[in-house]
Amino acid sequence: KAGVTQTPRYLIKTRGQQVTLSCSPISGHRSVSWYQQTPGQGLQFLFEYFSETQRNKGNFPGRFSGRQFSNSRSEMNVSTLELGDSALYLCASSLAGSSNQPQHFGDGTRLSIL
Amino acid sequence: GESVGLHLPTLSVQEGDNSIINCAYSNSASDYFIWYKQESGKGPQFIIDIRSNMDKRQGQRVTVLLNKTVKHLSLQIAATQPGDSAVYFCAENNYGGSQGNLIFGKGTKLSVKP
Repeated sequence: KAGVTQTPRYLIKTRGQQVTLSCSPISGHRSVSWYQQTPGQGLQFLFEYFSETQRNKGNFPGRFSGRQFSNSRSEMNVSTLELGDSALYLCASSLAGSSNQPQHFGDGTRLSIL
Repeated sequence: GESVGLHLPTLSVQEGDNSIINCAYSNSASDYFIWYKQESGKGPQFIIDIRSNMDKRQGQRVTVLLNKTVKHLSLQIAATQPGDSAVYFCAENNYGGSQGNLIFGKGTKLSVKP
């Protein structure tokens, strides 16, 4: 069974631009969560999607948004990029996103802001 | 949600020895815990999980112990190998909060000397 796939693996953008990251969950998984990983803050929850609906959101500004498609694939978008947005963005999927199921991660998209 | 913390930021062990990685959590209502392993350039990889109705769970070469009295979680790796070198994270579900949202500790770096 294929794992969680994230594209692209690396991205370089400049301040003020916007970016879209893509995530394909494990087949059959309906919940997709996004996390931001930085050396200073560690892994922080961005949002979670289930059945094309954003079910939960972390403490990030409105510049961070996402969506989920009918095939459970998900995208996240960051607008008006800032230097502090440089991070590894990780996507994780689980069967139904309940609070006692493991989440399985992709290898992330490394976003660098110049 | 409340934060999950780690006692030891770095751990260096000899190949063949057993490793113990510790984690303290602060939310006594959390009822599901996961250990992840993250190698350089990769996303977190699921190792083992445990629910709060258990004290111990064993996998292949790994054992997770949960002490709810002192809110402590540990990961034991038997016969540690060079391939075990990575950063290990404990995570708890955000019980009572949002689904699909794991709260991660800061991580412990395990270094295995040959």
